[in-house]
Amino acid sequence: DSGVTQTPKHLITATGQRVTLRCSPRSGDLSVYWYQQSLDQGLQFLIQYYNGEERAKGNILERFSAQQFPDLHSELNLSSLELGDSALYFCASSVAPGQGADTIYFGEGSWLTVV
Amino acid sequence: DQQVKQNSPSLSVQEGRISILNCDYTNSMFDYFLWYKKYPAEGPTFLISISSIKDKNEDGRFTVFLNKSAKHLSLHIVPSQPGDSAVYFCAASLGGGGADGLTFGKGTHLIIQP
Repeated sequence: DSGVTQTPKHLITATGQRVTLRCSPRSGDLSVYWYQQSLDQGLQFLIQYYNGEERAKGNILERFSAQQFPDLHSELNLSSLELGDSALYFCASSVAPGQGADTIYFGEGSWLTVV
Repeated sequence: DQQVKQNSPSLSVQEGRISILNCDYTNSMFDYFLWYKKYPAEGPTFLISISSIKDKNEDGRFTVFLNKSAKHLSLHIVPSQPGDSAVYFCAASLGGGGADGLTFGKGTHLIIQP
């Protein structure tokens, strides 16, 4: 158990809908990362937050948004869903940005299926 | 455009033999490389890393080799054990090993046969 909690574990929704994925980082970790793993693309970095502020942005679509709340949990919002958004979404956390990549901890992921 | 490539989606190795997983990259600015291991229904976990100033790093049964001129790295597992069966991801960093914006390969599914 990495200490990073993601909910829901599985989600099935229809095209055009909107979903919210939730992540609670490890106790004491201030930085949260979101990654997308699809069948043909591997793990893609989406976005990073540190202490409530956006710190780095990767290949995140405009239909997607994220935020980190004062209690440090984070939510990833996916809207106008398309079939191609079906993927495993990972949240990871670390104590602070700039930490070594050997000290980030991944959650178990949220499986999103768009039908 | 895949900057980190793992061209073998799967690899089957007999228990006790050596497993060699390969990874190629295109961005010469990457300066830190990592391997993550992932079991089903779990998130990736860090396995071993190497800085671009080195060409080898060893940790127990795991050794990572880096060939900068060829933009190639490999992970050797000796001897392979059944518990090594997992998906292995190669990752590269531009920030000296920082976690910001890691670039991952698509993964190689290693199967250790008894």
